[in-house]
Amino acid sequence: LAKTTQPISMDSYEGQEVNITCSHNNIATNDYITWYQQFPSQGPRFIIQGYKTKVTNEVASLFIPADRKSSTLSLPRVSLSDTAVYYCLVGPGGKLIFGQGTELSVKP
Amino acid sequence: DTAVSQTPKYLVTQMGNDKSIKCEQNLGHDTMYWYKQDSKKFLKIMFSYNNKELIINETVPNRFSPKSPDKAHLNLHINSLELGDSAVYFCASSQGGGTDLYEQYFGPGTRLTVT
Repeated sequence: LAKTTQPISMDSYEGQEVNITCSHNNIATNDYITWYQQFPSQGPRFIIQGYKTKVTNEVASLFIPADRKSSTLSLPRVSLSDTAVYYCLVGPGGKLIFGQGTELSVKP
Repeated sequence: DTAVSQTPKYLVTQMGNDKSIKCEQNLGHDTMYWYKQDSKKFLKIMFSYNNKELIINETVPNRFSPKSPDKAHLNLHINSLELGDSAVYFCASSQGGGTDLYEQYFGPGTRLTVT
């Protein structure tokens, strides 16, 4: 299963766009890329999932280059409530492998 | 209604005891999971059941035994608890599993402290 590498932490200010990049050099052909968000004392929550190019939903965008060896989660105009840990996962199915995650801190 | 619920939320017990954590999902999902999150926030899958059948069994001590009485429930029983078992245990469910990738819905977690 592909291993992922993300920055351990990031800081941002309210209203800014935040981009979190994840490296997954050994991604397999049938692997999808999924991002989860986790608030303190809660379980992870699905944000977005993609296979290639760009995916957008009401909360985030996911950019995947042609070689699929990395991906970038983009959070537009973050607020204080976006302070959380963000996990990038790569896998073909139910056996999701969570990495260390990126702890995003949004400041006023 | 809570989609994925776990009981208890907190569990404090002594080494050597046996304890169980219960999980229920009302989403009609076919697959359920148990994850362990340690103090460094690493979240590792332990088990996965699809329609009451075990499909994923990671390298977990035999002291951990999952039980799925029906598709909506996946309980985790732990024998002879050790200090290293202290962690937060999350239950999750998804519509599918195995080689298909489906969004997983997580419960609120059970914080287990072994003293």
